[in-house]
Amino acid sequence: SQQGEEDPQALSIQEGENATMNCSYKTSINNLQWYRQNSGRGLVHLILIRSNEREKHSGRLRVTLDTSKKSSSLLITASRAADTASYFCATVAGANNLFFGTGTRLTVIP
Amino acid sequence: DTEVTQTPKHLVMGMTNKKSLKCEQHMGHRAMYWYKQKAKKPPELMFVYSYEKLSINESVPSRFSPECPNSSLLNLHLHALQPEDSALYLCASSHPAGTRPYNEQFFGPGTRLTVL
Repeated sequence: SQQGEEDPQALSIQEGENATMNCSYKTSINNLQWYRQNSGRGLVHLILIRSNEREKHSGRLRVTLDTSKKSSSLLITASRAADTASYFCATVAGANNLFFGTGTRLTVIP
Repeated sequence: DTEVTQTPKHLVMGMTNKKSLKCEQHMGHRAMYWYKQKAKKPPELMFVYSYEKLSINESVPSRFSPECPNSSLLNLHLHALQPEDSALYLCASSHPAGTRPYNEQFFGPGTRLTVL
């Protein structure tokens, strides 16, 4: 299976705190993407990092990638209640097909 | 228009029924995807269409039959499903592989399917 692993499985923090979630994968990749999913709905693309990049920022999001360790992390700074959702990493190897990690359920308490 | 629409939002069907899920996008994307997502699990890729041709079938049972009538529409025909097929079915679209340096996929809201 090309599915990646994410940890933690669930994370609960207070509003204003930072949230960090980690993703490990198994195969070589072209890029790694992070998606967000609100309860039982469609996924929304957050950020993409290419295999030759080590860090990328977008607003309150910071993504790192370590291809030698086959791992990535997503940091959400200054979290808000509206950030409550499930977050999935997804790897892209050859064709543009996404293979999702197991996901982290984030709860931000107001 | 950056929206992918899916109909119906919810579907309840018996094991002998035939039904179809529909997906539509008007972003000019020539790659479209079907995913299946069980509760508290990640989406799993089922089918990929590229330029209206089926390019990937991830070992999906034949009771699921995809169809891409044109570049904007994607259907998933369902027949003789099992209760374990109950899940959220997600459609997505993107530019095809190799046409951009890298591509994001745009997802629809999904169809919640219950098989009785």
